[in-house]
Amino acid sequence: DARVTQTPRHKVTEMGQEVTMRCQPILGHNTVFWYRQTMMQGLELLAYFRNRAPLDDSGMPKDRFSAEMPDATLATLKIQPSEPRDSAVYFCASAPGSRDYGYTFGSGTRLTVV
Amino acid sequence: KQEVTQIPAALSVPEGENLVLNCSFTDSAIYNLQWFRQDPGKGLTSLLLIQSSQREQTSGRLNASLDKSSGRSTLYIAASQPGDSATYLCAVVNNAGNMLTFGGGTRLMVKP
Repeated sequence: DARVTQTPRHKVTEMGQEVTMRCQPILGHNTVFWYRQTMMQGLELLAYFRNRAPLDDSGMPKDRFSAEMPDATLATLKIQPSEPRDSAVYFCASAPGSRDYGYTFGSGTRLTVV
Repeated sequence: KQEVTQIPAALSVPEGENLVLNCSFTDSAIYNLQWFRQDPGKGLTSLLLIQSSQREQTSGRLNASLDKSSGRSTLYIAASQPGDSATYLCAVVNNAGNMLTFGGGTRLMVKP
């Protein structure tokens, strides 16, 4: 089965440190999403890309978060500096060019900022 | 702005029962709706995808229906099993966009 791969699976870091999360979308999928899941807010969209170009990052705190796609096989989400309120599970999802086929999610990165 | 609501937030049933999970959305101009399953500490697994032109989709013991005009979808699980215990999420894609808007989920517990 084709899958979206996220690394690391778990990350514990101290407040103020830089955190980088990585996502490998399914080969051939040209749309990539970053979502954040917390108990209080549920799943929230942070950013998404089509053909590596950012289309919407309005859900992302831009003073500390940045998202990029250096190439078609890698998407990154960085937090600098990290804060305890950033503790959450971060999911990457990918989709083919057509919306007809749904979205496939990775297993997530569980981030804890202490 | 699209809002998606799932009721109930939690549900506990004995094994073998048929059950219905509900999802409602405020903007009926959707492109499609997707149901996901999430096990504790895990990612989201797609269960069913319903296009806006469709009324229902079936996969095994699962049946999802869509009434776009009334802004509702239901996920029907037949003959529930303890292995069905998980959180079920519905999400919609609007006609005007590409991103999924999620409901808060229904946490299902099926007791042996």
